[in-house]
Amino acid sequence: GIQVEQSPPDLILQEGANSTLRCNFSDSVNNLQWFHQNPWGQLINLFYIPSGTKQNGRLSATTVATERYSLLYISSSQTTDSGVYFCAVERKTGRRALTFGSGTRLQVQP
Amino acid sequence: EAQVTQNPRYLITVTGKKLTVTCSQNMNHEYMSWYRQDPGLGLRQIYYSMNVEVTDKGDVPEGYKVSRKEKRNFPLILESPSPNQTSLYFCASSLSRLGDGYTFGSGTRLTVV
Repeated sequence: GIQVEQSPPDLILQEGANSTLRCNFSDSVNNLQWFHQNPWGQLINLFYIPSGTKQNGRLSATTVATERYSLLYISSSQTTDSGVYFCAVERKTGRRALTFGSGTRLQVQP
Repeated sequence: EAQVTQNPRYLITVTGKKLTVTCSQNMNHEYMSWYRQDPGLGLRQIYYSMNVEVTDKGDVPEGYKVSRKEKRNFPLILESPSPNQTSLYFCASSLSRLGDGYTFGSGTRLTVV
């Protein structure tokens, strides 16, 4: 099956700092999404981004499908950004399913 | 508001007592799916449904049943829950085309004692 690797696994930031999270995947995909899992366990959809660049407030994401990676940028981080960030992809053929990376655990300190 | 609604959010039950976790979506999505999340194992697909009356197994279907009698609802049934089914469960929906984005419910935290 498709492999999804996220880095770094853990990240500690001071409030106001910027960060870049990376997602590498091993095969061509039709779908790539970034999620934030908050401390209550909810999965919040951040971006649907199989290719290109999108921005939403302090967050932006870029996917380079031909090179099989995606980046999530967090600027001016806030304590509410803490949680786990997941990248998930859906392969181009076969059973419909999202394959998730193991996540980046982000802690933003005041 | 477009959303996937799961109930209950939290559930503690005893081994062997049948339970159902409900999932409903209001986006007219054809595709629905269940995932479970476990420490060290990540999120894994349990079952999925491409449309009404069409369901199929995911990666970890053992011990679970599903049904899709209506487009909006996709309940997850545990006929005889066991402690190894203690997990965080998510329902998701999407349009039918491969590559369409998924919307996830808020999760159901199940503990089987």
